[in-house]
Amino acid sequence: QVQLVQSGAEVKKPGASVKVSCKASGYTFTGYYMHWVRQAPGQGLEWMGWINPNSGGTNYAQNFQGRVTMTRDTSISTAYMELSRLRSDDTAVYYCARSGGGDYIGVVVYWGQGTLVTVSS
Amino acid sequence: EIVMTQSPATLSVSPGERATLSCRASQSVSSNLAWYQQKPGQAPRLLIYGASTRATGIPARFSGSGSGTEFTLTISSLQSEDFAIYYCQHYNNWPPWTFGQGTKVEIK
Repeated sequence: QVQLVQSGAEVKKPGASVKVSCKASGYTFTGYYMHWVRQAPGQGLEWMGWINPNSGGTNYAQNFQGRVTMTRDTSISTAYMELSRLRSDDTAVYYCARSGGGDYIGVVVYWGQGTLVTVSS
Repeated sequence: EIVMTQSPATLSVSPGERATLSCRASQSVSSNLAWYQQKPGQAPRLLIYGASTRATGIPARFSGSGSGTEFTLTISSLQSEDFAIYYCQHYNNWPPWTFGQGTKVEIK
């Protein structure tokens, strides 16, 4: 069965960076895009971007351009999301989530358990 | 960027009744629309994609309709486990693939 297991909660100071990992299992890692979505406390879902694990190609939402970097290590079926120059409003649960296939790469089919990142001085 | 607007923000429904949730896109997204359910403390779950196709394991009481800019999620007879927040998301053409702000379905 498809599983996405994320790294644990993080507490960071403003201006720092955070790197969240997402280990995939139960499917061919390079066969599906990986999305990153975040959710601030009590708020809705915000799409951050995706990475094509096969090519390493990425597409980032404009809100995060210049601050987010999505990478992957195909040898261990793991995707990473690094967010820099953290601000207090970056406090959120960050989800990795696997896409559908074919025409449905924009559909978020399987979700990780989420990683809480708290930004506080 | 396409803006997705959901209504109402909160829907109060009695168990066994029908719930109808709306999602509007600021420009046409064809049928490239998905619905997700999220319960407190949990990750979202995919319900519907392609505007009307149920995801694997989703009960038949969930149905989606619409195309272009107007979409509807209908829950035909609400069960206790259906009280949650529902989000629509478009995935038309190229990113960003934005979510609506959500509709909370609560017990009346």
